[in-house]
Amino acid sequence: AQSVSQHNHHVILSEAASLELGCNYSYGGTVNLFWYVQYPGQHLQLLLKYFSGDPLVKGIKGFEAEFIKSKFSFNLRKPSVQWSDTAEYFCAVRATTSGTYKYIFGTGTRLKVLA
Amino acid sequence: DAGVIQSPRHEVTEMGQEVTLRCKPISGHDYLFWYRQTMMRGLELLIYFNNNVPIDDSGMPEDRFSAKMPNASFSTLKIQPSEPRDSAVYFCASSQGAGGKTQYFGPGTRLLVL
Repeated sequence: AQSVSQHNHHVILSEAASLELGCNYSYGGTVNLFWYVQYPGQHLQLLLKYFSGDPLVKGIKGFEAEFIKSKFSFNLRKPSVQWSDTAEYFCAVRATTSGTYKYIFGTGTRLKVLA
Repeated sequence: DAGVIQSPRHEVTEMGQEVTLRCKPISGHDYLFWYRQTMMRGLELLIYFNNNVPIDDSGMPEDRFSAKMPNASFSTLKIQPSEPRDSAVYFCASSQGAGGKTQYFGPGTRLLVL
């Protein structure tokens, strides 16, 4: 069965620290990959996505993610976090199964950035 | 565009009562998704529709849950009877195009079943 694993449930960083959130998926076919962010009290918003081409994807607010097919990974990075990055981050995979699409989300990583 | 609209934003009910959550997708989007978010299980896809037709409801937890999409601009998720373990945030999302690519999420309905 397809699955998405986010290894860090909680991350606490100081401002200006570098961030890397891990995401691994389990699926042997073609996938599209997403990172969503949910700021406190707000709904989910798309941060970035990968469909094809350059495996290094740049998103909004200085975030980027690298798709490494051999490792089934799509880790999210940001070189220098800000207090406003405090949020919950979800990795998601869209997989095609028997002609239908499955959207599978990880359980999320709560990031807290200390000012 | 107003984005995906969900109502109510908050719902508190007692065990055994019927709960109906509503969603209006973005105009022109042909895919609609219902998700449930809990601390324990994260974000789970419950069901999704394409052109108002349910495509995959394998995520619906049990028969107490049902979803309908009578037209392109409205969908409901109903829980009858509700139970305390149904307490969660329920999100609706919509997308456009073949296969539905980027999904746009509504603000969610926070449900508490006492």
